[in-house]
Amino acid sequence: AQSVTQPDIHITVSEGASLELRCNYSYGATPYLFWYVQSPGQGLQLLLKYFSGDTLVQGIKGFEAEFKRSQSSFNLRKPSVHWSDAAEYFCAVAPGQGGSEKLVFGKGTKLTVNP
Amino acid sequence: DTEVTQTPKHLVMGMTNKKSLKCEQHMGHRAMYWYKQKAKKPPELMFVYSYEKLSINESVPSRFSPECPNSSLLNLHLHALQPEDSALYLCASSRKTGSGNTEAFFGQGTRLTVV
Repeated sequence: AQSVTQPDIHITVSEGASLELRCNYSYGATPYLFWYVQSPGQGLQLLLKYFSGDTLVQGIKGFEAEFKRSQSSFNLRKPSVHWSDAAEYFCAVAPGQGGSEKLVFGKGTKLTVNP
Repeated sequence: DTEVTQTPKHLVMGMTNKKSLKCEQHMGHRAMYWYKQKAKKPPELMFVYSYEKLSINESVPSRFSPECPNSSLLNLHLHALQPEDSALYLCASSRKTGSGNTEAFFGQGTRLTVV
């Protein structure tokens, strides 16, 4: 069965510092990979996605993520964090071509940004 | 337009009430989803509709009854709920391709409280 692991439950960074959120997945083939962000009481907003091709993908709000097949990882990065980035971040996996429609989420990482 | 609209935003209902949650998208997506999210947890898949037909039911209790009247609308009918059903209910949609589904777009959710 597919699974997604986000090892860090809570991360605190200072505004302007760099950020890396970790995500590891377990799946037999190359899945589709996503990062979503959720502010309190809100829905999920898609930050970026990886289906195939270039393993470094750019997203919205200055985020990027790198797919590393050898490490089964899809870590999210941002060079300089803004106070408005404080939120919950979810990594998600879906089967690749021909797979089912189920999207599997990690447990999330809560980001706190100190001024 | 990448918007999924959910109504109402907030709902308080008694355990004997019948209510409905509504979801609408005009992106031409033919896969639509209901998720349930408890506080500090990731979203959990409840139902998937593919081409207006129910394709996945994650063993959801029958007091939750989904309906997809057309390709743009998704409803979730609620009856005889329990207080533990209080949660954020998220609707999502995605485009179907010949080989699977693309990324899911989420609505802002309905905050349901069962009293």
